[in-house]
Amino acid sequence: AQKITQTQPGMFVQEKEAVTLDCTYDTSDPSYGLFWYKQPSSGEMIFLIYQGSYDQQNATEGRYSLNFQKARKSANLVISASQLGDSAMYFCAMRERTNTGNQFYFGTGTSLTVIP
Amino acid sequence: DADVTQTPRNRITKTGKRIMLECSQTKGHDRMYWYRQDPGLGLRLIYYSFDVKDINKGEISDGYSVSRQAQAKFSLSLESAIPNQTALYFCATSMFGQPQHFGDGTRLSIL
Repeated sequence: AQKITQTQPGMFVQEKEAVTLDCTYDTSDPSYGLFWYKQPSSGEMIFLIYQGSYDQQNATEGRYSLNFQKARKSANLVISASQLGDSAMYFCAMRERTNTGNQFYFGTGTSLTVIP
Repeated sequence: DADVTQTPRNRITKTGKRIMLECSQTKGHDRMYWYRQDPGLGLRLIYYSFDVKDINKGEISDGYSVSRQAQAKFSLSLESAIPNQTALYFCATSMFGQPQHFGDGTRLSIL
């Protein structure tokens, strides 16, 4: 089974609207971490937001929030008031502990295009 | 200056050549990672190191080796490059429990 699943290869959103990027995960580790990264066309990976498995509240960072539904194993990224500069690839990632140490998994990404 | 620096930024080479990609960081992080990114596959972990004497295989370590020369330096080697190792390579660093911070990537093309 895929550790991280992002089912939306591409998304479009109107400028100033909110958009939700989906992410589901699979792990049996009770102590895991979930991350979202942004990759603009220039190629660098930019950390956006982090959610720990024991965190009681959803993480927020400015216009980014993480809708964490533990029972459903989903960690959707919500971007409010979209801006043209938000157009990029977005990757969901997970850190889990294994018998051999920590492992990190990334989803295949969602390409977000913000329309003026 | 970038906190996580990868060299070279771009490299074109031939099948069978030995290649080394280097990563250095000024963030003081103890953990360093190498990933490759292929279109449609996201990032996949090659190797990671939690300190100078610790090296661990990731999801796709075959065909690669690494060296942690110092806390701030982590290099990735392709002993005999093959075309399907053409990809975008990222180095990342972190502290325990914290998110990873990435370098700007190295575009590697193997002809």
